[in-house]
Amino acid sequence: ETGVTQTPRHLVMGMTNKKSLKCEQHLGHNAMYWYKQSAKKPLELMFVYSLEERVENNSVPSRFSPECPNSSHLFLHLHTLQPEDSALYLCASSQARGSEPQHFGDGTRLSIL
Amino acid sequence: DAKTTQPTSMDCAEGRAANLPCNHSTISGNEYVYWYRQIHSQGPQYIIHGLKNNETNEMASLIITEDRKSSTLILPHATLRDTAVYYCIVRVLVMDTGRRALTFGSGTRLQVQP
Repeated sequence: ETGVTQTPRHLVMGMTNKKSLKCEQHLGHNAMYWYKQSAKKPLELMFVYSLEERVENNSVPSRFSPECPNSSHLFLHLHTLQPEDSALYLCASSQARGSEPQHFGDGTRLSIL
Repeated sequence: DAKTTQPTSMDCAEGRAANLPCNHSTISGNEYVYWYRQIHSQGPQYIIHGLKNNETNEMASLIITEDRKSSTLILPHATLRDTAVYYCIVRVLVMDTGRRALTFGSGTRLQVQP
């Protein structure tokens, strides 16, 4: 039990669908992160939230849209995804933004048909 | 930005110490070394971190060389549950706004053998 919960654990969707990934942390942390882990590639940081502020990696396509309604919840809204977006999407949190030790959820395995 | 180099894979006998090396020759003076591991089908798990002194916790020990150009993670008595990919990470600048964040490399796949 890491204190970071991600749902769903598995998701299969078509390229025209719209879905959302959810992350919840019960650790009282102020920063939350989305990562993408593709097969045989290093973890890629996608987005960082610190309290109400979002820090965005400019290389993330607009078909990925994060939302952080409060410091305990983080969403990743997905629409018009491509097959190359199939990957494990990991959420993490830390006490503050940056390189504090991070606590990860077990991820959502996403498959795009 | 500091880059890390780790062996792709290692084997270790159960009950023996596992010593996982990491090179980070371009690390700057205020950068920490972090170690995480990822067990199959789980998210990465924080293990330990250090700046220049050796560190120990309930999971592992971290030995950092005096010149800080390399480090070794030591699992003193490896078990089958320690089979995982181990990532050595230094703080790097990746975000356009200048915020520091962790960058994960390819890691070392440790296989603990019975």
